[in-house]
Order: sequence, then structure tokens, then C-alpha cells
Amino acid sequence: SQTIHQWPATLVQPVGSPLSLECTVEGTSNPNLYWYRQAAGRGLQLLFYSVGIGQISSEVPQNLSASRPQDRQFILSSKKLLLSDSGFYLCAWSGTGEYGYTFGSGTRLTVV
Amino acid sequence: GQSLEQPSEVTAVEGAIVQINCTYQTSGFYGLSWYQQHDGGAPTFLSYNALDGLEETGRFSSFLSRSDSYGYLLLQELQMKDSASYFCAALSGGYNKLIFGAGTRLAVHP
Repeated sequence: SQTIHQWPATLVQPVGSPLSLECTVEGTSNPNLYWYRQAAGRGLQLLFYSVGIGQISSEVPQNLSASRPQDRQFILSSKKLLLSDSGFYLCAWSGTGEYGYTFGSGTRLTVV
Repeated sequence: GQSLEQPSEVTAVEGAIVQINCTYQTSGFYGLSWYQQHDGGAPTFLSYNALDGLEETGRFSSFLSRSDSYGYLLLQELQMKDSASYFCAALSGGYNKLIFGAGTRLAVHP
């Protein structure tokens, strides 16, 4: 069966520090991968998506970047965090031709 | 731009029926999905409508009218565990991209 792992679960980082969040998927090949951010009590904003190794599309201009070094690995990064980067970050995957996303358990990031 | 509108809050009692509406305005629309999210948790997939009409999955049903850019999620025989946020999301453009609404917080009372 397919599983998605996302870590860490919570993170408190100072302003100006770097960020690296990792997401891995097991049990499937060539998944579509997505990073979303959710502000408290709000909807999910699509940040990046990837349809293959090294293929990254950005949805909104921001202080973050994403990479996909392996088929089932998706990384969200920042060189210097801003207060506004705080939020709940969710990784998700879907199969080709499938319409349901499976989300990871999320990382709650607080920038102080 | 792309947007989905849904009510911010809905309250109901156990055993009742509740309908959560969603109107959308997106380019390249393929279909409408619904997700459930409990506090502190990740969203979980409930349903997907690509064609007009009603899709039923147990106590939950979802409806889509493409001509009206409108859909709804119908929850029957409400239980306390159904208290959660519900998001409509439009499958838009290529690569299975989902654009989410702001969510509807459902509170089920005894």
C-alpha cells in the first residue's frame, strides 16, 4: 500500500534561519507531488507541484523553493525564513489519472 | 483569477442532515473534490465529481452542476465525529492541481 511520510511534525525556527522540510512517498512510482501551506483557520494554498524528478512548478512568488531529487522525494526549502512563512505545511501525492490526493501529516512551522 | 466560495461555519445536531455549498470560478475546470480535516490533522479525501449529478458514498453525497459552477456536500445521519472542517477543491488546469476553498467548519451538537 502507498504511504506518505512528512517530517518534522513541528518546528520552531528564528527569522533568517534556513528551512528544509522533507516528504517521501512509498509504494508507488512517478507520483505527482505537491506542497501546500495552510494558515490558521484558512484554506490550503498550493505552493509547488512536481510531475517528475527535477520538474518543479511554482504557483505563487515567495520566499520558498522546492526540489525533487528522487522520484518519491519532495523537499521544501528556504534560505532565510520570514515571520510570514509560519503555517501548516502539507505534502501530498496523487497518481497519474487519479483525482484524490493523499496528504502527509503536516509540519507546523512557527517562525519567531 | 480562480476562487471557490463556501460558508465559513455550519452548525447541526446529531442525526440531522447538513448541506455545504460551494461555488467556483476557475479556468480549465475538470471536477470538484471534497476533503475533511479534523483539527490539527491532515485533509482526507471524501469525494470527486467530474460529471453533473449526485455521487453517494455511505452517509456522504456530493453533487455537481457544471453549468451553474456549483456543488455541494451532503452529510446525513450526522455524528459527533463529523465535526471537522470541510473543503471543496477544484481540479484545475493540468497535473491534477487542486485549488481549495477556505473551508467550512461544521460543528455537530448532541
